[in-house]
Amino acid sequence: EAGVTQFPSHSVIEKGQTVTLRCDPISGHDNLYWYRRVMGKEIKFLLHFVKESKQDESGMPNNRFLAERTGGTYSTLKVQPAELEDSGVYFCASSKFSGAVNTQYFGPGTRLTVL
Amino acid sequence: KQEVTQIPAALSVPEGENLVLNCSFTDSAIYNLQWFRQDPGKGLTSLLLIQSSQREQTSGRLNASLDKSSGRSTLYIAASQPGDSATYLCAVVNSGGSNYKLTFGKGTLLTVNP
Repeated sequence: EAGVTQFPSHSVIEKGQTVTLRCDPISGHDNLYWYRRVMGKEIKFLLHFVKESKQDESGMPNNRFLAERTGGTYSTLKVQPAELEDSGVYFCASSKFSGAVNTQYFGPGTRLTVL
Repeated sequence: KQEVTQIPAALSVPEGENLVLNCSFTDSAIYNLQWFRQDPGKGLTSLLLIQSSQREQTSGRLNASLDKSSGRSTLYIAASQPGDSATYLCAVVNSGGSNYKLTFGKGTLLTVNP
């Protein structure tokens, strides 16, 4: 069974440009999460999808970030326009269940550098 | 607001030692607590998940305990090996919500020297 995959693994862009990150969850996992770690800080929650619906987007930093999950399969996270403080590692995770037994399986992350 | 703290931030031990990593959280109303491992440049690998009703979980040389009332968890690694070198992260899922998001600590960087 394939794990969570993310593309690209690295992205270097200039301030003001647009970047789109992609996440493919484990097949059959309805729950999909985006997290981010900026340098020196802990990993922080961005948002949660259940199938194609946004369950919680309270962690999204501002309206420059847009996440979608059309059809309830893969998800994209777009940053437009990117700012210097958006640099960090963006992780995607998926889980089959909700509740007490909801092991989240993480992808390798996308390292975003904004110059 | 839930806050997760991991102590120590870094730990270096010789091969073969038993060691304990500590995690504390401020809000005891949790669904579960998960320990992860992260290797440099890689994603997070789930090691153990302890439900709020459980006291401990074991997997091979790893044993994680949970004391929910005091807001503490420990990860015990027996007979450490150089391959155990990684960053270990503790994360909790708060109860009372519907998104089951993880709140992470900053991690403990473990180095096991041969």
